[in-house]
Amino acid sequence: EPEVTQTPSHQVTQMGQEVILRCVPISNHLYFYWYRQILGQKVEFLVSFYNNEISEKSEIFDDQFSVERPDGSNFTLKIRSTKLEDSAMYFCASSGTGANTEAFFGQGTRLTVV
Amino acid sequence: GEDVEQSLFLSVREGDSSVINCTYTDSSSTYLYWYKQEPGAGLQLLTYIFSNMDMKQDQRLTVLLNKKDKHLSLRIADTQTGDSAIYFCAERRWGYSTLTFGKGTMLLVSP
Repeated sequence: EPEVTQTPSHQVTQMGQEVILRCVPISNHLYFYWYRQILGQKVEFLVSFYNNEISEKSEIFDDQFSVERPDGSNFTLKIRSTKLEDSAMYFCASSGTGANTEAFFGQGTRLTVV
Repeated sequence: GEDVEQSLFLSVREGDSSVINCTYTDSSSTYLYWYKQEPGAGLQLLTYIFSNMDMKQDQRLTVLLNKKDKHLSLRIADTQTGDSAIYFCAERRWGYSTLTFGKGTMLLVSP
């Protein structure tokens, strides 16, 4: 069964460093998303991406965040200068197109900023 | 704005039914979803219901939707230890593809 895959599963980084979280969405999907879950809190929407551009973003997705689809398969989230409060589980998701667009999620990348 | 609330914890015995509840505030929700998260794993879509439906059954899962009270529930019949996980309720608003999640309900099934 097709699935969304994310790498790495766990990343530890020092405050102020840049990180890139990687995702391979399901191959025929057209919408791509990043969500995050701070420990003990809700899963929060960050950004959605369609047709090679951002289609929606939340207030959390400020200038330190960026997304890219560098080739036909990968979808990345870059955090330029990490802060302690960026520590969270980051989920990538993808969905097809049409009225009923169920999102399929990856297993997540746990980012720990120290 | 939209908000989704769930009770945080539910404990049941194997073989019993589990009922996980969720309330939402956005009346323009179109689809309401239940996702399951096992330890160390991603979010697995279990089932969903369109907002013009009252009920949906899928094997051991029954979703009930009370639109007037904006209340959604997931019933798991004959709960098994393998059902132990965190269950997230999520809604999608009309015209948007993104999801708003609740905090998740941890279901613990004891033998």
